Amino acid sequence: DSGVTQTPKHLITATGQRVTLRCSPRSGDLSVYWYQQSLDQGLQFLIQYYNGEERAKGNILERFSAQQFPDLHSELNLSSLELGDSALYFCASSVVPMGYGYTFGSGTRLTVV
Amino acid sequence: DAKTTQPNSMESNEEEPVHLPCNHSTISGTDYIHWYRQLPSQGPEYVIHGLTSNVNNRMASLAIAEDRKSSTLILHRATLRDAAVYYCILRGQGGITGGGNKLTFGTGTQLKVEL
Repeated sequence: DSGVTQTPKHLITATGQRVTLRCSPRSGDLSVYWYQQSLDQGLQFLIQYYNGEERAKGNILERFSAQQFPDLHSELNLSSLELGDSALYFCASSVVPMGYGYTFGSGTRLTVV
Repeated sequence: DAKTTQPNSMESNEEEPVHLPCNHSTISGTDYIHWYRQLPSQGPEYVIHGLTSNVNNRMASLAIAEDRKSSTLILHRATLRDAAVYYCILRGQGGITGGGNKLTFGTGTQLKVEL
């Protein structure tokens, strides 16, 4: 157990639907990062939050959004789902200052059918 | 983000040392060198990081070239459980909360360990 909790572990949904992925960071970590891993794209950075505020954006589609709540957990919302959104979605958290490693969760496997 | 170059795959025998190379010729003076690994069906796992000096921890050693344009991750005695994709990543300093804080993963090196 890495200390980063992601739910659900598996999700199967239909095209056009909307899902929410949840991440609880490791205790004491203020930064949360979302990554998408598909077979053809590898690990892609989506978005970063720090203490409730968005800090960096990567290759995140407009159909996707995220937020970090006062208790520091984060949610990634994926809407108007397409077959190509099927992937593993990882959340990671980190403690500052710089140089420390990220701790990743075990991921949510999303299958869009 | 500065780019890293790693071999696509490497093979090793169990109980032997493994040297995983990484080239990063465009590294900036403030970039940290991070190594992560990803075992099958798991999230990436932090292995080690360094800035200029060689580093050792319980998992591995990191040897950094004097000009910092390359580095080598050393697994002293490979086991079957070390079979994974190993990623060499440069992490910039965008402030402790800034965008430079993010990790950009490449394709990594698939390490195969045989009996």
